Amino acid sequence: EAQVTQNPRYLITVTGKKLTVTCSQNMNHEYMSWYRQDPGLGLRQIYYSMNVEVTDKGDVPEGYKVSRKEKRNFPLILESPSPNQTSLYFCASSFLGTGGYTFGSGTRLTVV
Amino acid sequence: AQSVAQPEDQVNVAEGNPLTVKCTYSVSGNPYLFWYVQYPNRGLQFLLKYITGDNLVKGSYGFEAEFNKSQTSFHLKKPSALVSDSALYFCAVRDSGSARQLTFGSGTQLTVLP
Repeated sequence: EAQVTQNPRYLITVTGKKLTVTCSQNMNHEYMSWYRQDPGLGLRQIYYSMNVEVTDKGDVPEGYKVSRKEKRNFPLILESPSPNQTSLYFCASSFLGTGGYTFGSGTRLTVV
Repeated sequence: AQSVAQPEDQVNVAEGNPLTVKCTYSVSGNPYLFWYVQYPNRGLQFLLKYITGDNLVKGSYGFEAEFNKSQTSFHLKKPSALVSDSALYFCAVRDSGSARQLTFGSGTQLTVLP
C-alpha cells in the first residue's frame, strides 16, 4: 500500500531532551515536507526537500532540523524541544509536478 | 508570497442540503489548488485538485469545486450533505512555477446536522 509512515504517533517529552520523528514513504516521491498544525493556524510548513541532500526552510523552521540522506526518509529533529513546539506534526510527500501531497497520520508531540 | 483564506471557521448545514466551503487564494503565477479533508485523529486526505482545464473539478465522495480566476476563489461544494461529511476541510495553493511550497488555509470545520 502506498503510504507515508510517521513514528511515533504520540510523544510526551521534557524541555531540552533531543528527539527525532521519523517519516518514510514508499512511493519514490522526490518531494517531502514537514508541517505543524495548530488550532486556528492551519498547517504551517517547517522544512521541505526537493530530493536527496536538498533541503530548505519553510515558514516556521526555528528549532527544527531535517536531513534527507535517502529518498524515502525525511526525519524531523528537535535538538532542544520547548513547550511552544507542542503541536501536531505531519509529514507529506509528492512527485514534483502537478501531484497532490500524500500525508502521514500525524505525530502529536507534547513538550512539558 | 502566496496565501489562502478560508473566511469561515465553522459551517453548519442540515443533512440533505447543499454545502459550500469557501476559499480564496493569492499566488503570483498560475495556481494549483487543492482541497483536503481531516477526520478526527487522522491525517489529511486528498479530495480534489485544480491544475488546468475545466473550472469545475469533481473529486472524491461527491465533492466538487469551482475555480474562478477573476475572483481568485476555489469554493468546495456538494449537492447533498451527509452527516459523515462532518470534518475539518483545508484549502491549499501552490504556484505552478514552483514545487517548493504548498500553502494551506486555516481550515473550516464542517458540521452536518441530522
